[in-house]
Amino acid sequence: AQSVTQLDSQVPVFEEAPVELRCNYSSSVSVYLFWYVQYPNQGLQLLLKYLSGSTLVESINGFEAEFNKSQTSFHLRKPSVHISDTAEYFCAVRRKNSGGYQKVTFGTGTKLQVIP
Amino acid sequence: ETGVTQSPTHLIKTRGQQVTLRCSSQSGHNTVSWYQQALGQGPQFIFQYYREEENGRGNFPPRFSGLQFPNYSSELNVNALELDDSALYLCASSSGTEGASPLHFGNGTRLTVT
Repeated sequence: AQSVTQLDSQVPVFEEAPVELRCNYSSSVSVYLFWYVQYPNQGLQLLLKYLSGSTLVESINGFEAEFNKSQTSFHLRKPSVHISDTAEYFCAVRRKNSGGYQKVTFGTGTKLQVIP
Repeated sequence: ETGVTQSPTHLIKTRGQQVTLRCSSQSGHNTVSWYQQALGQGPQFIFQYYREEENGRGNFPPRFSGLQFPNYSSELNVNALELDDSALYLCASSSGTEGASPLHFGNGTRLTVT
């Protein structure tokens, strides 16, 4: 079984400041890693994913996440946040070689509040 | 390209009633999964449908059931509603069953059970 831990339920940060949202996972098998973002009253949108290769992955809107296998972490970072980044962010994992079974295990989410 | 659409957006039901939620998957996607997101929680996997058959289920009782139709749209049915069933229900579609395929979510149906 897999589990995902997001220790910070809320993270307030001033506009243009850097931010890091922490994610740790536990799994006995190899997994794919994802970050999803959820804006108020909306579904989840894929922000970025780690499948294989380079451990640093980037999104089109300036976020990046680094896969650290030894620490089983996939922290999300942005060097300078904007008001529009205010949302809830979910870290998620899915088993590789799952034989078609696509269950995604999500963390409990981190609410990022950008303060003007 | 049409995204994932869910209906209705909001629903209020009474304990003991039955409810049906609907989902139209994104064009070209043949796999649909349903998630329950309780207030303040991350989404929890309910089940997945591929080519009209359920091929994966989370820790939800049998009163949660579903269907997938030939056009890949899907329904989630919940019988004997309980207060704890109040949540946002999310439908997600993807192309194929490869684990690397990202999920595309709809905006959800907010179910309130009173």
